This record gives sequence, C-alpha cells and structure tokens, in this order.
Amino acid sequence: AQTVTQSQPEMSVQEAETVTLSCTYDTSESDYYLFWYKQPPSRQMILVIRQEAYKQQNATENRFSVNFQKAAKSFSLKISDSQLGDAAMYFCAYRSGLRGNKLVFGAGTILRVKS
Amino acid sequence: NAGVTQTPKFQVLKTGQSMTLQCAQDMNHEYMSWYRQDPGMGLRLIHYSVGAGITDQGEVPNGYNVSRSTTEDFPLRLLSAAPSQTSVYFCASRTGMNTEAFFGQGTRLTVV
Repeated sequence: AQTVTQSQPEMSVQEAETVTLSCTYDTSESDYYLFWYKQPPSRQMILVIRQEAYKQQNATENRFSVNFQKAAKSFSLKISDSQLGDAAMYFCAYRSGLRGNKLVFGAGTILRVKS
Repeated sequence: NAGVTQTPKFQVLKTGQSMTLQCAQDMNHEYMSWYRQDPGMGLRLIHYSVGAGITDQGEVPNGYNVSRSTTEDFPLRLLSAAPSQTSVYFCASRTGMNTEAFFGQGTRLTVV
C-alpha cells in the first residue's frame, strides 16, 4: 500500500520570504500523480499544484513550485514571496496512475505566516 | 456551476442515530468519493464510485453505506452513529483518471 509522510506538523515563515514544505511517499508503482492541496480555515480543499510522475520537469504555479525527486520519492513544495493568505494546512497526496480510485494523503503541515 | 455541494455543513448526532450526508455535483463527473478528515491523519477514503450503480469500499468503510443511483448524487449514510465517527467529511468528484479531484466544503459531524 502506498503511504505519504509529511514530517513537519507546523512551519512558520515571515511574510515575503520563502518556505519549503516536505513530503515523502512510498510506492512500488512507476505511474502516479502527486498533489499539494491547501486547506484554509474555511475548510475548502484547494488544489495548489500537481505533478505527473512521468514528467521530469518540476511543476510550477506562480509562486508555488515543487522539487520532485522520483528516485528519492520526495515531493517538496516551495512557496516564494509568502503572503498572509498562504496561511493554511497543506496536504501532500498521491494517486496511482493504474488504480487511481483514491487519493492517499499525508497528515498535513500547518503553515503560519508572520507579518 | 455550483461544483460539489455538500449538506449539511454542521451536524450533531446522538449515539445510535442515523443520518445521511448529501453530496451533489453538477459537472457530470463519473468518479465520486467520500473521505473523512481526522486530526493528525489527513483524509482517508471511506467509499467511492466510478459511475452510476457502481460503488466500492475504501480504506475505512465500516459503519457507512453509499449508493449511486444517478451521476449527480452520492449520499453517505451512517446507520448507527458512534462517537468514533466524529469527524469532518468531504465529498469529491472528478471526470477521469488524469484529472484533479474537486472537493465539497465539508460536513463537520459530532456524535455525542
């Protein structure tokens, strides 16, 4: 079974600075997708960024980028120029490319942004 | 487009009561799922459906039933609520294998 581990329960960052959230996963599959979701206090789950395992290029979405290390099974999220609105719980998630009926989530990282 | 709509947003139940959490999507998505979110555990899959009339169990199905009579609706039934089912419940949908999941706003359920 696949597992996703987020080793940082909480992180803090100063406004306008950069922060990196860690995620590692365990799988024997070669075809899969990785995601970062943001959950603000409103509880809504918002997709931040996705990465297909077959793509070597790291995904980017504006201030958000990932460092995807397939061999190391690592998928970290970098947030540049942090803003107060980035404060939220962040979840890393895995989905199989062959039997993709479920998302496997990590436990989450609470990100606090200081002004 | 409303996306994925869950009702109610909050609910308090007594142990042993039954209830149905509603989930509806207006995007004609084939795949629908129910997750529960507990502190320190992320979200875990309860049940899922790959189309009308087809459902299957996820990681934590005990105590929950689902059905999928239409593409749009995927209700989750708690037959006899227990305090261990106190959680936040999310419904999600997507259209195919290579697509993102869209989530509802969640239902916070407390069983006393």
